[in-house]
Amino acid sequence: AQSVTQLDSHVSVSEGTPVLLRCNYSSSYSPSLFWYVQHPNKGLQLLLKYTSAATLVKGINGFEAEFKKSETSFHLTKPSAHMSDAAEYFCVVTGFQKLVFGTGTRLLVSP
Amino acid sequence: DGGITQSPKYLFRKEGQNVTLSCEQNLNHDAMYWYRQDPGQGLRLIYYSQIVNDFQKGDIAEGYSVSREKKESFPLTVTSAQKNPTAFYLCASSIYGTSGSYEQYFGPGTRLTVT
Repeated sequence: AQSVTQLDSHVSVSEGTPVLLRCNYSSSYSPSLFWYVQHPNKGLQLLLKYTSAATLVKGINGFEAEFKKSETSFHLTKPSAHMSDAAEYFCVVTGFQKLVFGTGTRLLVSP
Repeated sequence: DGGITQSPKYLFRKEGQNVTLSCEQNLNHDAMYWYRQDPGQGLRLIYYSQIVNDFQKGDIAEGYSVSREKKESFPLTVTSAQKNPTAFYLCASSIYGTSGSYEQYFGPGTRLTVT
């Protein structure tokens, strides 16, 4: 069965510093992986997706993620955090007929 | 403008009443989904539908019901049998394909409060 583990429930950074949100996955076949962002009381927005093409995936708002099969990881990074990046981030793996969501990482950005 | 709409944004009900949450999409997607989100938790799948007139239970279907009479509409009814219905409900849709690489697009959500 497919599963995803987000290693940090909360991450705090200062504005202008790098962001790293960690995600490990488990899948019995070659998965597709996604990162979504959710601002308070809003729906989820797709940040980026990996679908077995390039292992380094670029998304919106300067985010990118690297698929590492040997480490079963799909960490999300951004070189410089902005205040508007403060939100909840979900790592997601494709399962049979549905998506499997991680429990989320809350990103806090301080001035 | 293509997208998914959910209405209303906030909904208040008394315990023991059924309530129906609306979800409409104009993306021409085959598949639609309902999720429940509680504070500090991820999303849990309630029901999903891959084609019109067909739907499957997700992980937490008890106390909920759905219908899929039209491609663009997938309403969710929270029945009085749902023991803890207060939550944030999210609807999503996707292209349905056998490749498995289908991302989902989400509506803005409905926050249901039952007292």
